[in-house]
Amino acid sequence: AQSVTQLGSHVSVSEGALVLLRCNYSSSVPPYLFWYVQYPNQGLQLLLKYTSAATLVKGINGFEAEFKKSETSFHLTKPSAHMSDAAEYFCAVSHRDDKIIFGKGTRLHILP
Amino acid sequence: KAGVTQTPRYLIKTRGQQVTLSCSPISGHRSVSWYQQTPGQGLQFLFEYFSETQRNKGNFPGRFSGRQFSNSRSEMNVSTLELGDSALYLCASSLGGGPNTEAFFGQGTRLTVV
Repeated sequence: AQSVTQLGSHVSVSEGALVLLRCNYSSSVPPYLFWYVQYPNQGLQLLLKYTSAATLVKGINGFEAEFKKSETSFHLTKPSAHMSDAAEYFCAVSHRDDKIIFGKGTRLHILP
Repeated sequence: KAGVTQTPRYLIKTRGQQVTLSCSPISGHRSVSWYQQTPGQGLQFLFEYFSETQRNKGNFPGRFSGRQFSNSRSEMNVSTLELGDSALYLCASSLGGGPNTEAFFGQGTRLTVV
């Protein structure tokens, strides 16, 4: 069975600092991996996805994630945090079908 | 082009009642998935419809049901509402070509059961 674990339900970083949101997955077969962002009272928006084409995936708003099979990780990073990055971030995994399994989410707080 | 539209945005219902939520996918999308989002459980998959057929189902009781129409619009029904059904219900549409195709989410329907 597939699953996703996000470490830290809340993460705080200073504006301009590195953002690192951690995600580990469990899958018996090569997975499809995603990062979504949710702003208050909004639905989810896709930030980026891994589909085995390249291990380093670049997404929107300056975010990127690296797929590390040996560590079963897909951590999300951004070199310099901006106040507008404050939101909830979800890591997700999918297999051959359209069923997406989400992690519990990490709320990112940006400190001025 | 128009995004995924969910109606209504907010609902308040009484325990024991039933409720129907609607989702209009992006034009051309044939797959519609439903998710329940709560603070305690996070995002949980309810079911997915593709071309009017339920293709995937999550681990929810039979009180939760859905359907999809020929124009790909989907409805989700919850019968005999319980307090624990209070949640944000999100709908996502995609072309349905597998997990490599992007899922687009609506803004959700916030259901409060009192």
